Parts: sequence; structure tokens; C-alpha cells
Amino acid sequence: AQSVTQLDSQVPVFEEAPVELRCNYSSSVSVYLFWYVQYPNQGLQLLLKYLSGSTLVKGINGFEAEFNKSQTSFHLRKPSVHISDTAEYFCAVSDQQIPGKSTFGDGTTLTVKP
Amino acid sequence: EAGVAQSPRYKIIEKRQSVAFWCNPISGHATLYWYQQILGQGPKLLIQFQNNGVVDDSQLPKDRFSAERLKGVDSTLKIQPAKLEDSAVYLCASSLDRRAGRGALHFGNGTRLTVT
Repeated sequence: AQSVTQLDSQVPVFEEAPVELRCNYSSSVSVYLFWYVQYPNQGLQLLLKYLSGSTLVKGINGFEAEFNKSQTSFHLRKPSVHISDTAEYFCAVSDQQIPGKSTFGDGTTLTVKP
Repeated sequence: EAGVAQSPRYKIIEKRQSVAFWCNPISGHATLYWYQQILGQGPKLLIQFQNNGVVDDSQLPKDRFSAERLKGVDSTLKIQPAKLEDSAVYLCASSLDRRAGRGALHFGNGTRLTVT
């Protein structure tokens, strides 16, 4: 079984500032890692995913995340945020041996202020 | 490509009533999921279908929840009878990759259920 902890429930930042949303996971097996974004009254949309290879992955809208196996972390970063990045962000893990069963964190609300 | 379609968008019912949600996945996606998202929490998997067969329903409260995926395309999730704690957003998702854990999940906009 896996679990995901998103360390910050709310992150307020000013426009054009950098941001980091933290995600730690626990698993006894190898996992795939994902970040999703959810805008108000919408479903979740994939930002980026780590399956294998380079530990730094780049996604849509200028976001990137780094997989750190020793620290079991997958933090999401963006060097300069926009008002339109205001949304809920979810980190998720999936057991490589159990297709499709993703476990989600409880989300981080990113609020970008002008 | 058209996204995952869900209906209705909103539903308000009284406890002990029944309700059904419908989902049409992206064309060609073999794997379909139903997730429950309670306010302030992340989505939690209720059931996973591969084509029209159930892969995982270990988290589905089978005494009141049921789901089916006829002909491996559309799916319906039913709650009967509903309880107050069933108030949540019900999200349908689909994925293409046959090793579905590798692929991204494509989500619909969800159905917001309020049980009074």
C-alpha cells in the first residue's frame, strides 16, 4: 500500500514569485509519480509524471518536479507564478505492479495574489 | 479528442433516496475509474474497470454502491440508499495505456452530490 502526504494545505504567493509545493510518499514497492491540477468546478488535469529516467521532469504551464528516491519526495516547482495558476494541486502515486490504482494526497491550494 | 463526459453536473437528494451517475470515457480508453472526492480531501478510488470487467472494487461500499460498464464503454455508478456521508464529488477517469499505472488519468468534470 502507498500513502501520500502533501505537507502544505495552503500556499499563498505573490504573482511572479517562485513556488514549491511539497509531496512526500511512502511505499514498499517501486512507484510512478504524478502531479495533477484542479481548477474550480473542473476535473483533474495532468501536470506532469515521473515514470523512469531523469529525476527532473518538466510539465505543462512551466511546472517541473524532481523525484528524490532517498527522501521519497516529489516536489513541484515553478520559478514565476501567474494569477492563472491559482488552483488545487494533487500529488499521486501508483504502484508499478498494480496497474491504474493511484493514491492521491489531500491537495495543496495555491493562491497567487497580485 | 473529446474528453471524459459525465452527467449530471449537480445532484441534490434526500438521505435514503437513490441516485445514478453516468460516464462516457475517451474513445479507445480501455480502463475506466470512479473516484470519490470528499471536500478537502484527495480523490479516492472506488472501482476500476478494464474493458467491461472489474479490476479492483476493494474500496467500493458494496452494500449501497454498485457500478457497471456495459459493452466496455459507458459506465454507471449507483448509490442506493444514499447516506449523508456520501456527499462528495464523484469523478470518472479513463486511461489508454494497458499498463494503466504508467499512463495519465483523464478526468471528467465530476458530479457534485449533496445528500440532505
